[in-house]
Formats: sequence, C-alpha cells, structure tokens
Amino acid sequence: QVQLVESGGALVKPGGSLRLSCTASGFTFSDYYMSWIRQAPGKGPEWLSYITNSGSVRYHADSVRGRFTISRDNAKNSLYLQMNSLRAEDTAVYYCARYRDYAFAHWGQGTLVTVSS
Amino acid sequence: QSALTQPASVSGSPGQSITISCTGTSSDIGSYNVVSWYQQHPGKAPKLMIYEVNKRPSGVSNRFSGSKSATTASLTISGLQAEDEGDYYCCSYAGTSSLLFGGGTKLTVL
Repeated sequence: QVQLVESGGALVKPGGSLRLSCTASGFTFSDYYMSWIRQAPGKGPEWLSYITNSGSVRYHADSVRGRFTISRDNAKNSLYLQMNSLRAEDTAVYYCARYRDYAFAHWGQGTLVTVSS
Repeated sequence: QSALTQPASVSGSPGQSITISCTGTSSDIGSYNVVSWYQQHPGKAPKLMIYEVNKRPSGVSNRFSGSKSATTASLTISGLQAEDEGDYYCCSYAGTSSLLFGGGTKLTVL
C-alpha cells in the first residue's frame, strides 16, 4: 500500500535552515506529482508547494516562496523540502502528500518543525 | 489569498444528517470545480473524503457527499456515526498553481 514517511523535523533557531525528507513506497513514485503541506498547532492545513513527476516544474505558496524549495530524487523515491530563513510562524507539522486531480489522496504521518530561540 | 471560510463547529445526533459549508470567492471555488474535503482525527494526518466537488475515493462511505453552488462548497454526512466525529477541512484550487484550505470545522456527534 502507499506509504509516505517524513523525517528531518527538529527544533531550530530563527534564521536557521532545515531539510525535510519524505520517502515513498507502495507506488511508482516517478508517476506522481508530490506536495508539501503544513499544519500549525490548532490551525488548518496550509499548502506550501508541489512538484511535477519529473521534477522539472515546481510551485510554492507566496508565504514561503524564496525561502523554501521543493525537490525530488526519483531514483531514491524521495521528496525534499529545503527550508531557509526560518521564522517562528513556520512552526508546524509538515506533511508530504501525493498530489493528483487537485487533491491529496495520501499523506505521511508528518514531522514536527519548531522554530524558537 | 485568505483561507476558505468554514463554520467553527457543527453537531448532530447519530443517524442525523449534517452539512458543512466552505465559502470562497470567484477566484477559487467560484472558478474551478476542484474542491476537496478532508477528515482529521486527533494526532492523525488528514484523510481525503471528497475530490473534484463530489467524487468519493475508493473506500470512503457513500454517506459522504459533496456539492457546490457559486462560491460555496458543501460536505454532507448522512446517517451520522460516532466515528465521524473529528475536524473537517475543505480545499480548492485558487489559480496560478496554488491551493487554499479552509480553517476547519469541528464535528461533534452528540
């Protein structure tokens, strides 16, 4: 079955950087667009970015454009999110999700990122 | 872009039907028939319940249905069951390759 496992979440100071990873299994990773979504404590999800199946095209939400970058390695069945210039408001659980038909049918369990001094 | 607007909470008794609304604008819900709905239980990841306004993924009960009128989408749950309790979120494509989620609705089964 489809499985997505995120890793890399941590406590980081404001202005710091972090790279999240998502390892996929149970489906042909290179056939699907993938996305990152975050959810701050007590809030609704927030879409952050998605990347096409080949990795040639990527989009980011205005709130993270220029600070976060999505990428993928189809040979490793892996999705990444490079996060720079982190702020307190970036504190959230970060999910990777398989994206198709403008919806997210499969989500990972999430990884917690805390930005605090 | 602001989040889609949902009521903070709804409630119903077992066996009843409830409807959760999701209000957007002419730039998102009003322009695209790609609203999706997610159910989330505490400490868990969201689960897709409806996509493209009214389509159900395989395995989702037919007690869940979706609709849309102008800039408002709706999720209806019929024959309410205790296991339906949780948070529900809508999501819509918003143009320029972006997506918007709603703020969420807490469903309580009385």
